[in-house]
Amino acid sequence: GENVEQHPSTLSVQEGDSAVIKCTYSDSASNYFPWYKQELGKRPQLIIDIRSNVGEKKDQRIAVTLNKTAKHFSLHITETQPEDSAVYFCAASGSGGSNYKLTFGKGTLLTVNP
Amino acid sequence: DSGVTQTPKHLITATGQRVTLRCSPRSGDLSVYWYQQSLDQGLQFLIQYYNGEERAKGNILERFSAQQFPDLHSELNLSSLELGDSALYFCASSVGSAGSGREQYFGPGTRLTVT
Repeated sequence: GENVEQHPSTLSVQEGDSAVIKCTYSDSASNYFPWYKQELGKRPQLIIDIRSNVGEKKDQRIAVTLNKTAKHFSLHITETQPEDSAVYFCAASGSGGSNYKLTFGKGTLLTVNP
Repeated sequence: DSGVTQTPKHLITATGQRVTLRCSPRSGDLSVYWYQQSLDQGLQFLIQYYNGEERAKGNILERFSAQQFPDLHSELNLSSLELGDSALYFCASSVGSAGSGREQYFGPGTRLTVT
């Protein structure tokens, strides 16, 4: 089955700096890669996603890049703010009919220091 | 608010007991997914239903079962509970089709504590 590795497990940055979180996946059939933000005690919230026919996607201060050949994808947050502090999860999903189960990475605890 | 609802929010029960967690998907979503989140295992996929039919199974124990009803709400049944079953249980829903229908939106979760 799919395996998703995520690094780093913790990341501390100063407000205004950029943050990068990296993930690798094992199943070359995976073709959908969402990122979720989870604040303490809350639900995972979808913040951005990318499909395998696209190399990069941006939404304001966040962007995701995908390298299908190397089987890795990354989340980039620019101009970080204290409210960006949370646990971020990457995930991968295959193309088995209407089976779109997500395999998650272990998460990255991002702390943005004011 | 994602539009996915889950009840109850919290559940405290004893070992050996059985509980039922309930999920209502977003309006129009046909797929329901159940995930378990614990500190040591992270977010793990348990099972998926699509329009009433089981579509995929993950690391779901035999003591656990689920179903999706004609109105598309879903229930996750956990029986013979053990201390290790204590976790956050999330339900997510999606349209369930290819293209733009793959985004999964999570409910607020049910925190299960087994004592």
